[in-house]
Amino acid sequence: EVQLVESGGGLVQPGGSLRLSCAASGFTFSSYSMNWVRQAPGKGLEWVSYISSSSNTIYYADSVKGRFTISRDNAKNSLYLQMNSLRDEDTAVYYCARGYGDYDYWGQGTLVTVSS
Amino acid sequence: QSALTQPASVSGSPGQSISISCSGTRSDVGSYDLVSWYQQHPGKAPKLMIYEVTKRPSGVSNRFSGSKSGNTASLTISGLQADDEADYYCCSYAGSSTSWVFGGGTKLTVL
Repeated sequence: EVQLVESGGGLVQPGGSLRLSCAASGFTFSSYSMNWVRQAPGKGLEWVSYISSSSNTIYYADSVKGRFTISRDNAKNSLYLQMNSLRDEDTAVYYCARGYGDYDYWGQGTLVTVSS
Repeated sequence: QSALTQPASVSGSPGQSISISCSGTRSDVGSYDLVSWYQQHPGKAPKLMIYEVTKRPSGVSNRFSGSKSGNTASLTISGLQADDEADYYCCSYAGSSTSWVFGGGTKLTVL
């Protein structure tokens, strides 16, 4: 059974940093592209970042470019999102999702709250 | 990276058919057959319903279908059921510099 489990969310002050993790199981993690997608409270989905299976290709949404860094460790079946210079508008549930546009599996999400 | 445009809400009675539109531009929906649709129930993670415009993942009911004309994609749900009541989001590839963009979401109410 495919499982994606996010962790690392929490309360952080504006300007602070947080590192999210996504533990994958039930499939060959190293063969799949991965993404982070977020959803602000009561709002719609927003694609955040993409990383190819071998980390050769990485994309970011303009809203996080220069502040967030996506990475993965195929040996540990894990995906990461390093979030720096956090802003109020980064408050959201962050999901990891498998795929290249066809996000067929999603985690349950981890809540990041940016507030003073 | 502008969001794709979806109606805020649609509604239908059980057994009826409804369609949800997803309007983009020549830079996204109009240029790539990489449109997907997601269903999200309250408090749950999104679920993939349609990918590559018309394809249905294994396990998704054939009551769900997708199409595209020009810069607009559509999701059609036939034989509406109570459990179809949810939020629906479209997503499209928008080129390597912009990558992926979601629609604002549509709340489907089954009357």
